[in-house]
Amino acid sequence: DAGVIQSPRHEVTEMGQEVTLRCKPISGHDYLFWYRQTMMRGLELLIYFNNNVPIDDSGMPEDRFSAKMPNASFSTLKIQPSEPRDSAVYFCASSLRRGALDTQYFGPGTRLTVL
Amino acid sequence: DAKTTQPNSMESNEEEPVHLPCNHSTISGTDYIHWYRQLPSQGPEYVIHGLTSNVNNRMASLAIAEDRKSSTLILHRATLRDAAVYYCILKGQAGTALIFGKGTTLSVSS
Repeated sequence: DAGVIQSPRHEVTEMGQEVTLRCKPISGHDYLFWYRQTMMRGLELLIYFNNNVPIDDSGMPEDRFSAKMPNASFSTLKIQPSEPRDSAVYFCASSLRRGALDTQYFGPGTRLTVL
Repeated sequence: DAKTTQPNSMESNEEEPVHLPCNHSTISGTDYIHWYRQLPSQGPEYVIHGLTSNVNNRMASLAIAEDRKSSTLILHRATLRDAAVYYCILKGQAGTALIFGKGTTLSVSS
């Protein structure tokens, strides 16, 4: 398997623009996670899905952020409008199961810069 | 999920063993201890996990204290490629997402 695939790897945009980040999880994994990493806050969970259904979006910072999973092999994280404080590395991860024994597999991340 | 405490940074020389400690005094009986690491400019990757007994895999060993209030990740022979941030994370039976702390930044010198 190719692992978790994210695109684009780098995104530079201007404040106010819409940004869409994409993720393809490992085939057969039922759980998909979006994390954000900044120097100030470290790695933090934004939202996760189980079988394409959003389960916990309590980490989504504001209404400007939205995430969808239209099918088992694709998810998007959208920021509209983007702001400079959204600059961060966004990671997508997937796992086969939940619970104490689950192992999450992370993608390479998308480095977002909002000017 | 219970909280973990790790040193901010550690240094090692290449080819030497590295012992990365983690304290988790409030661990519950069903929490598993997971270790992930994040190499520079990459996403986190799974290293190892355990419950009570010591565990070994091709990447590392995990030594768990008898009272489970602490654990140690052991890299038997550090290489330059092992320079990374190492995260110790507890996961309960109901746990789903990973809760990352600041981790330990390991530097390896040749």
